[in-house]
Amino acid sequence: EPEVTQTPSHQVTQMGQEVILRCVPISNHLYFYWYRQILGQKVEFLVSFYNNEISEKSEIFDDQFSVERPDGSNFTLKIRSTKLEDSAMYFCASSGTPNTEAFFGQGTRLTVV
Amino acid sequence: GQNIDQPTEMTATEGAIVQINCTYQTSGFNGLFWYQQHAGEAPTFLSYNVLDGLEEKGRFSSFLSRSKGYSYLLLKELQMKDSASYLCAVRGRAGTALIFGKGTTLSVSS
Repeated sequence: EPEVTQTPSHQVTQMGQEVILRCVPISNHLYFYWYRQILGQKVEFLVSFYNNEISEKSEIFDDQFSVERPDGSNFTLKIRSTKLEDSAMYFCASSGTPNTEAFFGQGTRLTVV
Repeated sequence: GQNIDQPTEMTATEGAIVQINCTYQTSGFNGLFWYQQHAGEAPTFLSYNVLDGLEEKGRFSSFLSRSKGYSYLLLKELQMKDSASYLCAVRGRAGTALIFGKGTTLSVSS
């Protein structure tokens, strides 16, 4: 069964460092998303991406965040100058059309120390 | 703005039926989704409603009333493995991302 894959599963970084979280969406999907979930809290939308550009972003997705589709399979989230409060599980998701369900990857647990 | 409300916690026993409610206020409506999330894992898709009425999928059913801004997820013949968080998510306008509620943690005991 096709699935969204994310690497790494766990990343520890020092405050102020840059991190890149990687995702391989389901191969025939065109709509990509990043969400985050701080421990014990709800799943929060960060950004959606279609046709090589951001289609929607939340107020959380400020200038320290960026997304990129560097090739035909990968979709990345970059966090510049990480802060302690960026510690969370980051989920990548993809969908085949803009109005159907999104399928989630297993997440990257980011710990900023 | 968007607001999605669900009970924080529910408990039930094996073999029972449980109903998890969700109310929403959104600018626009283009579908309501239910996801299951086990602790430390990713949300997995359960069901989708865009029109009023009941959608049945095995032991799980989901109901939607757009005029009331209300949905429920019905789980029948509960099993221990159904202990998880159940997330209600809404798509406001067509083509926009899903916005999630805080989730309902369901504990199933024997």
